[in-house]
Amino acid sequence: GAVVSQHPSWVICKSGTSVKIECRSLDFQATTMFWYRQFPKQSLMLMATSNEGSKATYEQGVEKDKFLINHASLTLSTLTVTSAHPEDSSFYICSARNAGAMTGELFFGEGSRLTVL
Amino acid sequence: AQRVTQPEKLLSVFKGAPVELKCNYSYSGSPELFWYVQYSRQRLQLLLRHISRESIKGFTADLNKGETSFHLKKPFAQEEDSAMYYCALSPASGGFKTIFGAGTRLFVKA
Repeated sequence: GAVVSQHPSWVICKSGTSVKIECRSLDFQATTMFWYRQFPKQSLMLMATSNEGSKATYEQGVEKDKFLINHASLTLSTLTVTSAHPEDSSFYICSARNAGAMTGELFFGEGSRLTVL
Repeated sequence: AQRVTQPEKLLSVFKGAPVELKCNYSYSGSPELFWYVQYSRQRLQLLLRHISRESIKGFTADLNKGETSFHLKKPFAQEEDSAMYYCALSPASGGFKTIFGAGTRLFVKA
């Protein structure tokens, strides 16, 4: 089946530094990928929609200059948390939709836990 | 407005009891409805979708367009069913973003 790989699984960084998280579709092409935050025992919060070859679409309240998204190829989207602060500590999840399938099914990465000291 | 509502944040049942996780949606058009599940320390994964009309791990869900509902049911809950369940809606033909409900945590007691 379709697999989405996220890297790194966890990362610890100092306040003020930037962190990049990668999301790869391993056996399918994804023109659209999505980035979420998930707080403990809470639902997914959609942050932005990553579109291959064009600018990402951010949800209301999400700072685009803070959370940089790049979707340069059909199998890779990256999320960069710039000038990270402790309040950015969270579990970040990506998902991808198979461009070749006429369905809205999403395939999820394993998530990346970010801890900002 | 497009919306997916899961009224129960937590549902606790005994092993062997029937379970129903409720999901109602609001959408102008013909959406695809899904149930995703997240087991402890695992990634989110698809459980079932309405167009398949299949039973996965004993779970079924019927799309009721009149009541705009897509409730998830299982006649006999098992301990391994304990997880977080998300109802989700996607525009037909794989359109734009998926809308998720807030999720229901199912706890099956021995």
